[in-house]
Amino acid sequence: GAVVSQHPSRVICKSGTSVKIECRSLDFQATTMFWYRQFPKKSLMLMATSNEGSKATYEQGVEKDKFLINHASLTLSTLTVTSAHPEDSSFYICSARRTGDGQPQHFGDGTRLSIL
Amino acid sequence: QQQVKQSPQSLIVQKGGIPIINCAYENTAFDYFPWYQQFPGKGPALLIAIRPDVSEKKEGRFTISFNKSAKQFSLHIMDSQPGDSATYFCAASSYNNNDMRFGAGTRLTVKP
Repeated sequence: GAVVSQHPSRVICKSGTSVKIECRSLDFQATTMFWYRQFPKKSLMLMATSNEGSKATYEQGVEKDKFLINHASLTLSTLTVTSAHPEDSSFYICSARRTGDGQPQHFGDGTRLSIL
Repeated sequence: QQQVKQSPQSLIVQKGGIPIINCAYENTAFDYFPWYQQFPGKGPALLIAIRPDVSEKKEGRFTISFNKSAKQFSLHIMDSQPGDSATYFCAASSYNNNDMRFGAGTRLTVKP
């Protein structure tokens, strides 16, 4: 199998705080990980592509200083939402892909972020 | 930038029926087309995927039909069950899978 673990599953915090979300590939090495955002009853929107050992590539309109991504190892990527505000409340989902063409993305179970 | 268009938005079928979900893409560079199933509060799970060198792929009760010239593909669920009730997303990407774009999703309800 290809298991991706995301932690925490849910976080509630006050406006202005920073929140870190972890994404781990448990049984495979992932050169590339992806971060998505999903609004209620909506599709997944790619925020950024995270490559191990290099800077993340952000999609147009995503603030890189707001959403800090670190992919320090082949099994771990983190997303930090800095100085979070209520409009950052959302469902954040990561995915990971084994090295090589044709390898599918495997998703974590998401993190429900609520900013009060 | 909606590169993958999915329909219908929602679908209700009776148990045993065959729901069909359709997707169309624009970017001819896409050559990998997966379908994902998502339950509430969970991440998407890969169901089945196809590449454009075949017109159909079947895995269990799930079948993808692919029409390269029309740039369309569809998911058929045979003998649907209430447990299949979920949101289904089609997606498209290049084969390195680094640029996956999702359809808007179809909420399927299978009634007992």
